[in-house]
Amino acid sequence: AQTVTQSQPEMSVQEAETVTLSCTYDTSESDYYLFWYKQPPSRQMILVIRQEAYKQQNATENRFSVNFQKAAKSFSLKISDSQLGDAAMYFCAYRSAYPENRDDKIIFGKGTRLHILP
Amino acid sequence: EAGVTQFPSHSVIEKGQTVTLRCDPISGHDNLYWYRRVMGKEIKFLLHFVKESKQDESGMPNNRFLAERTGGTYSTLKVQPAELEDSGVYFCASSQAPVGVGILMNTEAFFGQGTRLTVV
Repeated sequence: AQTVTQSQPEMSVQEAETVTLSCTYDTSESDYYLFWYKQPPSRQMILVIRQEAYKQQNATENRFSVNFQKAAKSFSLKISDSQLGDAAMYFCAYRSAYPENRDDKIIFGKGTRLHILP
Repeated sequence: EAGVTQFPSHSVIEKGQTVTLRCDPISGHDNLYWYRRVMGKEIKFLLHFVKESKQDESGMPNNRFLAERTGGTYSTLKVQPAELEDSGVYFCASSQAPVGVGILMNTEAFFGQGTRLTVV
C-alpha cells in the first residue's frame, strides 16, 4: 500500500522569504501523480501543484515549485516570496496512474501548517 | 462553473443521533469521493463512486456509515448512530472519468469545502 509522510507538523516563514515543505512517499508503482494541496481557513482544498512521475522536469506554478526526486521518493514544495495569503495547511498527496487497477483514490499526508510572519 | 458543494458546512449533534451529509459534485463528473480528516490526523479515504456504483468502499470505518449516490448525481453520507470518534471534517471530491485504458488518466480531483461534524 502507498503511504505519504509529512514530517513537519508546523512551519513558519517570514513574509517575502522562501520556505520548503517536505514530503516523502512509498510506492511500488512506477507511474503515479503527486500533488500539493492547500487548505486555508476557509477549508476549501485547493490544488497548488501537480507532478507526473514520468516527467523528470520539476513542476512549477508561479511562486510554487517542487523538487521531485523519484529515486529517493521525495517531493518537496518550495514557496518563494511568501505572502500572508499563503498561510494554510498544506497536504502532500499521491494518486496511482493506473486506471485499470481502479485504485485511483488520493492518499494524503498528515499535513504541514504553514505560518507566515509579517 | 460551480464547484463541488457540500452541505451543511458545520453540524453539531449528540452522540446517538443521525446526521446526513450531502455532496453535489461538479456537473458531468462521474467520480465522487468521500474523505474524512479527524483532528490532527491525515485525510483518510472513505469511498469512491463511479456514477451511482460504489467502486471502492474500503475506507468506510463501520456499518454506521452509509453512502448513497442515487442517479449518479449528488451523494449523501449518513452516520447512524453517531459516536464521538466520528467528529472531524468530511470532504467530498469529484473528477471526470478516466480517459481510455492504459493512458494516464485525468488526475485532478476538485474538493468541496468540507463539512465539520462535531459529535458531543
